[in-house]
Amino acid sequence: GQSLEQPSEVTAVEGAIVQINCTYQTSGFYGLSWYQQHDGGAPTFLSYNGLDGLEETGRFSSFLSRSDSYGYLLLQELQMKDSASYFCAVARSGNTPLVFGKGTRLSVIA
Amino acid sequence: DAGITQSPRHKVTETGTPVTLRCHQTENHRYMYWYRQDPGHGLRLIHYSYGVKDTDKGEVSDGYSVSRSKTEDFLLTLESATSSQTSVYFCAISESRASQTEQYFGPGTRLTVT
Repeated sequence: GQSLEQPSEVTAVEGAIVQINCTYQTSGFYGLSWYQQHDGGAPTFLSYNGLDGLEETGRFSSFLSRSDSYGYLLLQELQMKDSASYFCAVARSGNTPLVFGKGTRLSVIA
Repeated sequence: DAGITQSPRHKVTETGTPVTLRCHQTENHRYMYWYRQDPGHGLRLIHYSYGVKDTDKGEVSDGYSVSRSKTEDFLLTLESATSSQTSVYFCAISESRASQTEQYFGPGTRLTVT
């Protein structure tokens, strides 16, 4: 079987930093992706970690630890427009489609 | 933005009727996917395609069929719609096998089965 666990909801203050965690148990592991989805919109790709460590893209960073079956998405200098759902997704191999977590709804408050 | 369109964007249909949703891409990407999204379940893969006439089942394929006769079009058919198939359906594409981790999504189709 396979499972991805991420918190269902997170609330953070504008300008602050928030971390959204994702733990996984899958048969095979190739890499971890993150997607953002605003209400009423489509998911959009944010980042991918194939190797352990931190990947930075502007205000967003993503981290992976294969030994801990764990990753996180870090959002800095939070803005109101960051209020959205964030999904982690596991690639079990280079040949199989992604498996998505159930998503974390981030609310940024003033 | 990747050139992906879905049609229709909204549809209301009755239980037992057939429904076909269309996904069209202008990116010439090889891989195409159909997902459904329901509250509390995230995105679940229905079927995917890795080339013309090459398709495979995903996690929740029962009650759905797909066809891909051209690179640019991927059709999802509900042979006999049921209320449990009320959902938002997303199509996605990725360029290659190695890039399946980076998918681009269409705008979605909201389907209501009454």
